[in-house]
Amino acid sequence: QTVVTQEPSFSVSPGGTVTLTCGLSSGSVSTSYYPTWYQQTPGQPPRTLIHSTNLRSSGVPDRFSGSILGNKAALTITGAQADDESDYYCVLFMGSGTWMFGGGTRLTVL
Amino acid sequence: EVQLVESGGGLVQPGGSLRLSCTASGFTLSSYEMNWVRQAPGKGLEWVSFITRSGDTMFYADSVKGRFTVSRDNAKNSLSLQMSSLRAEDTAVYYCVTIVYGSGNSYLYYYMDVWGKGTTVTVSS
Repeated sequence: QTVVTQEPSFSVSPGGTVTLTCGLSSGSVSTSYYPTWYQQTPGQPPRTLIHSTNLRSSGVPDRFSGSILGNKAALTITGAQADDESDYYCVLFMGSGTWMFGGGTRLTVL
Repeated sequence: EVQLVESGGGLVQPGGSLRLSCTASGFTLSSYEMNWVRQAPGKGLEWVSFITRSGDTMFYADSVKGRFTVSRDNAKNSLSLQMSSLRAEDTAVYYCVTIVYGSGNSYLYYYMDVWGKGTTVTVSS
């Protein structure tokens, strides 16, 4: 059974740059999976950051960017701020109306 | 304002049934394919089900297949999730989510966009 992999946790200093990744336990992530990234804070629904690999959702600061790095999708935060401390989820479209989320990455800014 | 509002959550015993609803305001639900996504307490997001705009095709996660049924009433701008044979592991916040697709100059996009605030389902005796 294929699973979507994410780092469980990551830490970044204020003003620093961090890259979170989204991979597959079997195979490579490509643009065909339309990787999408969400930010979630406690008690709130997810907020769309980046969709379809590298398209920034409306109102999302340009310090958030998406890409394919090697065989994974990646979310890069440049110039991290305190309020970027959140859970980040990626989701892949697996085809035939099915989707698969990664386990999420808890980002700490300190 | 574009909004999705889920309702129908609550406490139900194992083996019981529950019907969730999702109502759209500020836009026409029939224009969108829709997903249900859930999140167990302290856990990550899990895709549950998908339905086409017309409601003629549905897909389900293996964890709910045969127990959950998604449907929609485009005339009422609403989406439903009928859940039966509920288990403790179905305890979660359930979100309805729009799916957006389209194309631009040399690119395609397809993603889950608008989320409701969720409704909580607790399966416990």
